Amino acid sequence: GAGVSQSPSNKVTEKGKDVELRCDPISGHTALYWYRQRLGQGLEFLIYFQGNSAPDKSGLPSDRFSAERTGESVSTLTIQRTQQEDSAVYLCASSSGPYTGELFFGEGSRLTVL
Amino acid sequence: DAKTTQPTSMDCAEGRAANLPCNHSTISGNEYVYWYRQIHSQGPQYIIHGLKNNETNEMASLIITEDRKSSTLILPHATLRDTAVYYCIVRLYSGGSNYKLTFGKGTLLTVNP
Repeated sequence: GAGVSQSPSNKVTEKGKDVELRCDPISGHTALYWYRQRLGQGLEFLIYFQGNSAPDKSGLPSDRFSAERTGESVSTLTIQRTQQEDSAVYLCASSSGPYTGELFFGEGSRLTVL
Repeated sequence: DAKTTQPTSMDCAEGRAANLPCNHSTISGNEYVYWYRQIHSQGPQYIIHGLKNNETNEMASLIITEDRKSSTLILPHATLRDTAVYYCIVRLYSGGSNYKLTFGKGTLLTVNP
């Protein structure tokens, strides 16, 4: 597609359930980022993928969070045993490589944990 | 990344120029200044970036002071659709461990009719 696509756009789940969020980056973009934005707050970096290099997972808040990316395509962010504090918008962005700060963001996946 | 300081909020009249300031007094010589904006309920959108020369594109102009300790984003003719949170970010060009964009709280620009 023309832009970064994220799904689902909205997800409501019960505390303790696992959720998967998907990101389709712009074709040809080697770099992919996940950020989290809680209501009324700024963006928190979660994880970064660049090509086939080992991902930078330094922003993941706990071991309940994990992410995968197959090559330079789709990425999946998984949150296990969700907690209410996980409620947020999860934003994915891609860029043409590590040397540019021009990121293209998706519309985000809004997660609500009841 | 160097820290940036922005006003919490600003108002602008529709059709007038919006001038959004940013202080980055600890910026290093190889750090770029990036501007993004986030319209309510949308993902952030890249606007413009620069190193030391002034830059202009179809969205905005970026004026960087000679000492590079501050910059101003200029929206020449603000419209109601420019109401958004504007983020000023400094970032190393070459990435390394500093490829991450660190978003602060930004400036909420409200364009009034």
